[in-house]
Amino acid sequence: SQTIHQWPATLVQPVGSPLSLECTVEGTSNPNLYWYRQAAGRGLQLLFYSVGIGQISSEVPQNLSASRPQDRQFILSSKKLLLSDSGFYLCAWSVKGSGEAFFGQGTRLTVV
Amino acid sequence: QKEVEQDPGPLSVPEGAIVSLNCTYSNSAFQYFMWYRQYSRKGPELLMYTYSSGNKEDGRFTAQVDKSSKYISLFIRDSQPSDSATYLCAMSAWFGNNRLAFGKGNQVVVIP
Repeated sequence: SQTIHQWPATLVQPVGSPLSLECTVEGTSNPNLYWYRQAAGRGLQLLFYSVGIGQISSEVPQNLSASRPQDRQFILSSKKLLLSDSGFYLCAWSVKGSGEAFFGQGTRLTVV
Repeated sequence: QKEVEQDPGPLSVPEGAIVSLNCTYSNSAFQYFMWYRQYSRKGPELLMYTYSSGNKEDGRFTAQVDKSSKYISLFIRDSQPSDSATYLCAMSAWFGNNRLAFGKGNQVVVIP
């Protein structure tokens, strides 16, 4: 069966520090991968998606970047965090051609 | 107009009642319709998935899609305290990236 791992679960970082969140998927190959951010009362906002290794599309301009160095690995990064980067970050995957996506357990990031 | 509208107001019901949730959407290209359940501080969990108009039943849960009205619903029968969570509607079209558009979510509290 397929599983998705996302870590860390919680993170507190000072303003201006770098960020690296990692997500890996097991039990499937060539998935579509996604990073979402969830803010209270605002639903889920798609940040990045990837249809293959090295292929990253950004949905919104921001202080973050994403990379996909391996087929089932997706990384969310920032060189210098802002207070506004605080939020709940979710990684998700889907099978190509299928409408449903499956989510990791999320990382709660607090920038102080 | 947002792609997906979901009235985010909280909903409190007594145990055993029927919970009714709904979303409207504006994009006629949406073909896949999902309901996710999200417990506090956890990632969303896929609850129901359908790609056609009509009803789909799974235990106590029924998903209803009316493409002509661009309206989807989720019904929870015989609600239990364990159903207390936030419910998010989501939908996607086949753009090649399975991008999901989400509603803001409804927080449901089932009172014992």
